[in-house]
Amino acid sequence: DAGVIQSPRHEVTEMGQEVTLRCKPISGHDYLFWYRQTMMRGLELLIYFNNNVPIDDSGMPEDRFSAKMPNASFSTLKIQPSEPRDSAVYFCASKIDGGRGGYTFGSGTRLTVV
Amino acid sequence: GDSVTQMEGPVTLSEEAFLTINCTYTATGYPSLFWYVQYPGEGLQLLLKATKADDKGSNKGFEATYRKETTSFHLEKGSVQVSDSAVYFCALTLLSGSARQLTFGSGTQLTVLP
Repeated sequence: DAGVIQSPRHEVTEMGQEVTLRCKPISGHDYLFWYRQTMMRGLELLIYFNNNVPIDDSGMPEDRFSAKMPNASFSTLKIQPSEPRDSAVYFCASKIDGGRGGYTFGSGTRLTVV
Repeated sequence: GDSVTQMEGPVTLSEEAFLTINCTYTATGYPSLFWYVQYPGEGLQLLLKATKADDKGSNKGFEATYRKETTSFHLEKGSVQVSDSAVYFCALTLLSGSARQLTFGSGTQLTVLP
């Protein structure tokens, strides 16, 4: 298995532009999570899905952020318009329900908004 | 709410020294506990886990024991190597109820000097 795949690995964009981050979870995993990592705030859960349905989006910072999971093999996190304070590393993770194993994380997308 | 408290870093050790990184937790139910490691520029990787009281997780010479009486899951290694330099995160998840997300500690930066 290729693991959780995120793209792009790095993104540099100008303030005000739309940014779309992508994630492909491990096949068969029914939970998908989006986390944001910054030096100041550490790892924060933004949103998670179960069977493609958003379960908890209370971590989404504001309306500029939106996430979708149109099918079991793909999710997007969109920021529109982007701001410099959105600069962070965004991680996607997936897991299978019922298992007591850990979550599998992608390599992350490093976003820089200038 | 559920939370994880980790030992403040950074921690700097000489090669072959003994390592302990303290982790305590607060949870409303019976969590599973994890240690994740993040090497520079990479995503989080599961290092070890324990799913019930008195379980010992181990991997790559690292160990941690789930202590319900002290609500702790301290990470230890008898002899660290330069290649162990990374950020270590303690985390928990509840497998009962609706919560499925990982709750992370703030991370502990470890640097091992040759």
